[in-house]
Amino acid sequence: EAGVAQSPRYKIIEKRQSVAFWCNPISGHATLYWYQQILGQGPKLLIQFQNNGVVDDSQLPKDRFSAERLKGVDSTLKIQPAKLEDSAVYLCASSSGQGANTEAFFGQGTRLTVV
Amino acid sequence: QKEVEQNSGPLSVPEGAIASLNCTYSDRGSQSFFWYRQYSGKSPELIMSIYSNGDKEDGRFTAQLNKASQYVSLLIRDSQPSDSATYLCAVTMGDYKLSFGAGTTVTVRA
Repeated sequence: EAGVAQSPRYKIIEKRQSVAFWCNPISGHATLYWYQQILGQGPKLLIQFQNNGVVDDSQLPKDRFSAERLKGVDSTLKIQPAKLEDSAVYLCASSSGQGANTEAFFGQGTRLTVV
Repeated sequence: QKEVEQNSGPLSVPEGAIASLNCTYSDRGSQSFFWYRQYSGKSPELIMSIYSNGDKEDGRFTAQLNKASQYVSLLIRDSQPSDSATYLCAVTMGDYKLSFGAGTTVTVRA
């Protein structure tokens, strides 16, 4: 079974530029998560999708971040314009069930550096 | 109050010893609890899940859950150098939001 796929693996941009990350979850997984992990910290949930609907986006900085999940499968996360403090690893994860007793699996992440 | 809190590290243990990691959570309605291991520069890897009060053992790992105390722990027995990593506690909140603690870094001394 293929795991969660993310691209690109690394990205360096200048502040005020825009960037987009892509995630393909495990086949059949209804729930998709985007996390931001700053060095030395735990992952911070940015947005959680159930199929193509948003379950939680309370910590998504909506003035600069946006995310969508087309047809309940692939997802993209966009930052526009980027700030220096957006430098982090962006992790995508997916899980299968609609209830609470499900396990989430992570992709390899995208390391973003904003200079 | 943070949603998920872990005991501050780093934790250094000798090879062969038991490493004990603790986690508390704020939402009394939480139903699912997970431990992830994260090696430096890698993404988190699920190592244990627990859903009901009591102990759950998997190899050298034991997870313990006490919902009344809103407490979950992870024991690593016979610690090996390969266990050196950051361990993340994750909790599914009432609306199925999956929240993580800050992590505890464990170093196993050979």
